[in-house]
Amino acid sequence: SQKIEQNSEALNIQEGKTATLTCNYTNYSPAYLQWYRQDPGRGPVFLLLIRENEKEKRKERLKVTFDTTLKQSLFHITASQPADSATYLCAPEPKIIFGSGTRLSIRP
Amino acid sequence: DGGITQSPKYLFRKEGQNVTLSCEQNLNHDAMYWYRQDPGQGLRLIYYSQIVNDFQKGDIAEGYSVSREKKESFPLTVTSAQKNPTAFYLCASSISVGANYGYTFGSGTRLTVV
Repeated sequence: SQKIEQNSEALNIQEGKTATLTCNYTNYSPAYLQWYRQDPGRGPVFLLLIRENEKEKRKERLKVTFDTTLKQSLFHITASQPADSATYLCAPEPKIIFGSGTRLSIRP
Repeated sequence: DGGITQSPKYLFRKEGQNVTLSCEQNLNHDAMYWYRQDPGQGLRLIYYSQIVNDFQKGDIAEGYSVSREKKESFPLTVTSAQKNPTAFYLCASSISVGANYGYTFGSGTRLTVV
């Protein structure tokens, strides 16, 4: 069956460092993949979408890679700030499935 | 500003009752979705609709029903057949199903069975 796995443990890093979150998927080949941010008690907010023919996508301090051979996407936040603390979800299309998320904490 | 409005924010249901969660969007999106989120878990798809008067079951549709009579509205009814309805419910919309654009989510409804 189709499966998505994100970093199973919460990620805790020092302010200013680069945070790297992993999304692995199995048993299907999405045409594109989305990343969302979710704060406690709120709905997810769309951040980035990367297509299967794109290796890398950037938006301000965010960078996403998509390796269809490894069936993996990496999500990077450079120069991390405490305000970046949230849960980040990946969603490989087109099956409208979301991963369970990685809870990221940035300590000052 | 365009967006999705879910109401109420908190809802309490007695055993055996049906309750309806509201979702309204003014983004002119064709596709709308309902997800359920349990603590520490990802989003699971309940139902989705590609267009008015059409909807499809998601992974966990049992005990739920929907309607799509207007483009802007996609209400979800949690019936008494849903044995464990306590959860956080999220409504979302997109330009179309499968479109490579992001989804817009509402702020959610937290349903508790009392």
